Amino acid sequence: EAQVTQNPRYLITVTGKKLTVTCSQNMNHEYMSWYRQDPGLGLRQIYYSMNVEVTDKGDVPEGYKVSRKEKRNFPLILESPSPNQTSLYFCASSLDPRSYNSPLHFGNGTRLTVT
Amino acid sequence: DAKTTQPPSMDCAEGRAANLPCNHSTISGNEYVYWYRQIHSQGPQYIIHGLKNNETNEMASLIITEDRKSSTLILPHATLRDTAVYYCIVRSLTGANNLFFGTGTRLTVIP
Repeated sequence: EAQVTQNPRYLITVTGKKLTVTCSQNMNHEYMSWYRQDPGLGLRQIYYSMNVEVTDKGDVPEGYKVSRKEKRNFPLILESPSPNQTSLYFCASSLDPRSYNSPLHFGNGTRLTVT
Repeated sequence: DAKTTQPPSMDCAEGRAANLPCNHSTISGNEYVYWYRQIHSQGPQYIIHGLKNNETNEMASLIITEDRKSSTLILPHATLRDTAVYYCIVRSLTGANNLFFGTGTRLTVIP
């Protein structure tokens, strides 16, 4: 089944403890992206990647890192999490970001709580 | 990308058509209209998109006005499983494929 898989679904951690949220897609998509969703603020883009080894900042990149060493994986790294990074995170991918006929496919989300 | 305006909430009786409006008065010529929905806290799901012609697929129909300043998403026979937040998004191909989701319309389908 074609899908975007995020792990874990739920994560509770403490301030300063490094963590990684994994994202994998099995559709050979070029484009991958991370969003966070907060009440009243909607979905905001954190980082995106147009292809392997190409990553760029989105609207809210501070406190996050990403890597795209292979096409299918796009992990989100929080080197030193803080409580303001408590949020619902979504990974998304699309086949060709330059095409109008290439909609985004989203994972089921990771709910992160930083205490 | 142009911004959109949607009503915050709507109700629809089960089995009836749900018509969700969206205003995008600042849309430019190369921008498409996309609709996504988000059920509870799941990942957003793509529904449909169009430029200026009406579009239909297995999920919904999209009606775009001739001046392209507004559009309507139609779910022809709403079911309880269609209860979700519906996002209308205007997108060009410049930039980072960064869809601005806004706050959407919360559609509640009533039995």
